[in-house]
Amino acid sequence: GAGVSQSPSNKVTEKGKDVELRCDPISGHTALYWYRQSLGQGLEFLIYFQGNSAPDKSGLPSDRFSAERTGGSVSTLTIQRTQQEDSAVYLCASRPAGRVDTQYFGPGTRLTVL
Amino acid sequence: GIQVEQSPPDLILQEGANSTLRCNFSDSVNNLQWFHQNPWGQLINLFYIPSGTKQNGRLSATTVATERYSLLYISSSQTTDSGVYFCAVGSDKLIFGTGTRLQVFP
Repeated sequence: GAGVSQSPSNKVTEKGKDVELRCDPISGHTALYWYRQSLGQGLEFLIYFQGNSAPDKSGLPSDRFSAERTGGSVSTLTIQRTQQEDSAVYLCASRPAGRVDTQYFGPGTRLTVL
Repeated sequence: GIQVEQSPPDLILQEGANSTLRCNFSDSVNNLQWFHQNPWGQLINLFYIPSGTKQNGRLSATTVATERYSLLYISSSQTTDSGVYFCAVGSDKLIFGTGTRLQVFP
């Protein structure tokens, strides 16, 4: 079946602009995660949605970052007033309920802030 | 928070060689996974191995939870094994290790 998809695959923006990154999880997966991969910081957890529970936002680096998950499916990560240090690959992952043995990752969105 | 370190950071092999990648973690964990990130950036789970040993073809992994380390063995390496190998701990908020970049040449 279809895997996790993310769009756009690449995004170039100017410093100070807002960006939205989209994630479509695998159908039926109840948990959805956002991670960031950058040269300086490696792979870092950002935010986690599980069903109808309040999201775990403990990894968001600043209040410029926010995320929503609509209807328990698609998620959007929004970065306001982008800074050059936001340049990274943003990865989305999902998993089905009751499974702790893996997360299924999307191909990522490469964000470049000029 | 928990620290996850991997070694070596870089590894260059000729096709057919064997290798061992190591993952050390600073505190006890209930979950540990190994991932492969291919040269195009796709992360694929290889093993879920909180303890014990598992094998899948040319790959095997061992976790000694009491001593806070895990090993990933790659035997008879192939060029398609190239990429970055990460270990990660945690059940939801994965904490990734620093990674081992593997290059396999024909």
